[in-house]
Amino acid sequence: GDSVTQMEGPVTLSEEAFLTINCTYTATGYPSLFWYVQYPGEGLQLLLKATKADDKGSNKGFEATYRKETTSFHLEKGSVQVSDSAVYFCALSGSGAGSYQLTFGKGTKLSVIP
Amino acid sequence: GAGVSQSPSNKVTEKGKDVELRCDPISGHTALYWYRQSLGQGLEFLIYFQGNSAPDKSGLPSDRFSAERTGGSVSTLTIQRTQQEDSAVYLCASSPWVLAGGEQYFGPGTRLTVT
Repeated sequence: GDSVTQMEGPVTLSEEAFLTINCTYTATGYPSLFWYVQYPGEGLQLLLKATKADDKGSNKGFEATYRKETTSFHLEKGSVQVSDSAVYFCALSGSGAGSYQLTFGKGTKLSVIP
Repeated sequence: GAGVSQSPSNKVTEKGKDVELRCDPISGHTALYWYRQSLGQGLEFLIYFQGNSAPDKSGLPSDRFSAERTGGSVSTLTIQRTQQEDSAVYLCASSPWVLAGGEQYFGPGTRLTVT
């Protein structure tokens, strides 16, 4: 079945540092890929997405590129802020007929210190 | 507009009791999903509803779990004879359509604690 593997946390960075959170996936066909974020005390919200190979999703300074050849969707940000402290989830939804439920990675907790 | 709402926000119950968790999706959203978030298992899909079609129950962990969706809107997840391993945050999400790449909008969750 489909699966998502993302780097284990927690990750602690200083403000303005470069962020990379690795994510790789296993799926049949051509899944859509997502990064969701969960800020402290809040619900899950979509950060960015990509629906086909070589697409780049971007939002709030975060970027991720759908790499089919390496089955990866790594999340990057050039300069993190304290307000980026949250748990980040990589996810996919299948491309075949069906319910398009999300398959999530385990989550990576990011803490940014001033 | 209003987002996905869930109630109660917290529920503490004794082992062996039944619980009902409620989800109000965004108005007009035809797709509704239930997920479970627990420390050991991460985020897991439970069940999916789309319009009047038969639900996809492939993620339900046991026959103690069931869900219904009335009138294509509000959904209730029922857990019978709760066990301690059912302790988790139960998340509901809705989507305006079922399409590859479609965004799901999540509610704040119900934190269930089984004592």
